Amino acid sequence: DTAVSQTPKYLVTQMGNDKSIKCEQNLGHDTMYWYKQDSKKFLKIMFSYNNKELIINETVPNRFSPKSPDKAHLNLHINSLELGDSAVYFCASSQSGGGVETQYFGPGTRLLVL
Amino acid sequence: AQKVTQAQTEISVVEKEDVTLDCVYETRDTTYYLFWYKQPPSGELVFLIRRNSFDEQNEISGRYSWNFQKSTSSFNFTITASQVVDSAVYFCALSEVKTGFQKLVFGTGTRLLVSP
Repeated sequence: DTAVSQTPKYLVTQMGNDKSIKCEQNLGHDTMYWYKQDSKKFLKIMFSYNNKELIINETVPNRFSPKSPDKAHLNLHINSLELGDSAVYFCASSQSGGGVETQYFGPGTRLLVL
Repeated sequence: AQKVTQAQTEISVVEKEDVTLDCVYETRDTTYYLFWYKQPPSGELVFLIRRNSFDEQNEISGRYSWNFQKSTSSFNFTITASQVVDSAVYFCALSEVKTGFQKLVFGTGTRLLVSP
């Protein structure tokens, strides 16, 4: 069974377009994340949601708007795509609690902006 | 600010060799967690291990072992008798807890190439 899934797996689009990436987890976790991995493989957190509420926003441009309809889903909408948005976007989830829980990652969405 | 350094950009070994991937971290927190993730050529991120700052016991899982030393702020990862399937990029990460919730700060990764 897929724990954290993302759609689409690949996304090729033109500059200026708007696109969305979807993420779903069936682990029963209450916290979800978006990370961006650039061409040099560097991974950096973008957003985190807990029970549908935004808790971390790492100074990401306003063109990126996450939406969490419920705690099992976290979507990422990107407006006016730019060349620099080309990257792999990973969704992850974990369960909040007293300590620090492991984050489990989806397979990634490879976005190429032409 | 928290930081993770993986100084080895790429390591090449021949199958059956042992290899150690280094990870050095910086944090002012007294409570923190360290992680290792594997990213094979297929691209997904696979969780390998989590270790909290109060537990300095080394851990072994099959051919994998981890050496956590707070005195040197290091959390090194050793693969014994490496295999071609171990070829991947390995990331060390440090958890930062903000307002009760964590975010992972990743190192830049070490690419391991195991040749037959």
